[in-house]
Amino acid sequence: SAVISQKPSRDICQRGTSLTIQCQVDSQVTMMFWYRQQPGQSLTLIATANQGSEATYESGFVIDKFPISRPNLTFSTLTVSNMSPEDSSIYLCSTQEGGYGYTFGSGTRLTVV
Amino acid sequence: DQQVKQNSPSLSVQEGRISILNCDYTNSMFDYFLWYKKYPAEGPTFLISISSIKDKNEDGRFTVFLNKSAKHLSLHIVPSQPGDSAVYFCAASGGSQGNLIFGKGTKLSVKP
Repeated sequence: SAVISQKPSRDICQRGTSLTIQCQVDSQVTMMFWYRQQPGQSLTLIATANQGSEATYESGFVIDKFPISRPNLTFSTLTVSNMSPEDSSIYLCSTQEGGYGYTFGSGTRLTVV
Repeated sequence: DQQVKQNSPSLSVQEGRISILNCDYTNSMFDYFLWYKKYPAEGPTFLISISSIKDKNEDGRFTVFLNKSAKHLSLHIVPSQPGDSAVYFCAASGGSQGNLIFGKGTKLSVKP
């Protein structure tokens, strides 16, 4: 299965700033997903990112707040823009290969102060 | 409304005993169910899965049971080991190209 390198692993950011999270996959994958896990909540899908097309956002998430790039089949970034303390969460990227083969990155723990 | 529910936020079990983690779902379109295990500071790792055409799948110490009529699945770990201490997420999918819907997780603590 694919191996994902996710960076940064954690960060503490000032409100109003932006943070870009990167995921590098060791193989080419068609679909990448970005999830968020707020304290005490389940993993919630933010958006699906396919190479060569715009990301598809789930209800409650918008491109202006969470712009995503997918320049090639091995890389994607998620930016958390104009952060507020409510954005403090763990952010995870995930890939899917051949049916139900999901792999996750190690996560980014974001604290906004 | 949560489509996948894990109603027990935590579970404590003695080493060697059975751990049973439960999960309920509401969407009858789900046809594939997965269990993930998550250690602190790591992403979830796949543990075991079951298709809706089956009612049981076993892999070593791990067995998942699916009761479609009750929209309920459970993960059994026998015997439980201290290294099994982690957060376990139940997830469901409605198709091979769909995203996963996760429960909130159950934190399992296995005491020596």
